[in-house]
Amino acid sequence: NAGVTQTPKFQVLKTGQSMTLQCAQDMNHEYMSWYRQDPGMGLRLIHYSVGAGITDQGEVPNGYNVSRSTTEDFPLRLLSAAPSQTSVYFCASRPEGTPGTEAFFGQGTRLTVV
Amino acid sequence: AQSVAQPEDQVNVAEGNPLTVKCTYSVSGNPYLFWYVQYPNRGLQFLLKYITGDNLVKGSYGFEAEFNKSQTSFHLKKPSALVSDSALYFCAVRDAYNFNKFYFGSGTKLNVKP
Repeated sequence: NAGVTQTPKFQVLKTGQSMTLQCAQDMNHEYMSWYRQDPGMGLRLIHYSVGAGITDQGEVPNGYNVSRSTTEDFPLRLLSAAPSQTSVYFCASRPEGTPGTEAFFGQGTRLTVV
Repeated sequence: AQSVAQPEDQVNVAEGNPLTVKCTYSVSGNPYLFWYVQYPNRGLQFLLKYITGDNLVKGSYGFEAEFNKSQTSFHLKKPSALVSDSALYFCAVRDAYNFNKFYFGSGTKLNVKP
């Protein structure tokens, strides 16, 4: 059981480049989300999805796009990378059900924008 | 607005001693509270949660947490610390109105020394 899989694990981008961070889960979870982790700031929600075809913004959505064409995949796109987007990115999924259900996290993608 | 505060950036404890990692929260309505642990270069792992019921919640790896409504706190505890408990710990609260949004504290680094 792979759980939540993120690729790549590490990435270096030049300012202005675009790229897509991949996230896939094999648990048939309806809810998926993207967070960024910065020192001293914990995790902040970027975008989330409650099912295929449905996405919404979190706390820090600017500079990022998402789409959800299947239940399994939830890619995060950086349209024009900026140094402020240097961070560790985590994808998470959660099953539909009671509101107290915990989230399952991927191992993260460490992104550096130079 | 929902928020979580972890007042200590770092907690140092000797192996075998009890440990406490503090968390206070601000939320509208009934709180849904979570603790996660992050080991180096890994994703977040769920430890325990408070939804309702007993104020003392037991979780993975011998950890427990005490919910205190009057003090709006949810401190993580363990009676006897292990060196292997050294990691980064995050407290989180679920949004009162949007079950898909979680707010994380800034994290507390736990150092357990032999």
